[in-house]
Amino acid sequence: KAGVTQTPRYLIKTRGQQVTLSCSPISGHRSVSWYQQTPGQGLQFLFEYFSETQRNKGNFPGRFSGRQFSNSRSEMNVSTLELGDSALYLCASRLPSSGNTGELFFGEGSRLTVL
Amino acid sequence: AQSVAQPEDQVNVAEGNPLTVKCTYSVSGNPYLFWYVQYPNRGLQFLLKYITGDNLVKGSYGFEAEFNKSQTSFHLKKPSALVSDSALYFCAVRDLGAGSYQLTFGKGTKLSVIP
Repeated sequence: KAGVTQTPRYLIKTRGQQVTLSCSPISGHRSVSWYQQTPGQGLQFLFEYFSETQRNKGNFPGRFSGRQFSNSRSEMNVSTLELGDSALYLCASRLPSSGNTGELFFGEGSRLTVL
Repeated sequence: AQSVAQPEDQVNVAEGNPLTVKCTYSVSGNPYLFWYVQYPNRGLQFLLKYITGDNLVKGSYGFEAEFNKSQTSFHLKKPSALVSDSALYFCAVRDLGAGSYQLTFGKGTKLSVIP
């Protein structure tokens, strides 16, 4: 069974540009979450999607957005990039039927560098 | 609000010796606790979880964790460390009040196993 797939793995952008990251969850997993990982702030929750609906969003500015498609694939977008957006962006999926007890399965991440 | 503390930024242990990576938590209500491991330039891999029941939880790769409610701790342990265990370890707690599935992570502990 294929794991969570994230593309691209690495990308370099300049300030002011925008970026779109893609995530394909494990087959059958309909919940997709995104996390930002930086050396200073650690792992921070961005948002969770289920059935194409955003269920919750972390404490990030409106420049950070996402969406989920009917096949459960998800994208996140960051507009007007800032140097501080340089990070590893991790996508994770889970089976909603696992309820409160299920664990997240993470992808390898997309490493964004903003110059 | 939930929180997780990993008091040690780095833990060094000799190969073959037992290892412990510490984690304490703060939650309102029952804690749902997780350990993940991250190898360089990779995503997070699930190791084990505590939901309810036996205080000693066994997980992947010979790891186990001991849940202690009175001390609000969930320390990760392994009887005999391997060089290949060298990685970054994260403790996390499920945020039940967020209305969605959201994990709050500790800052991480870098484990170095010395040959």
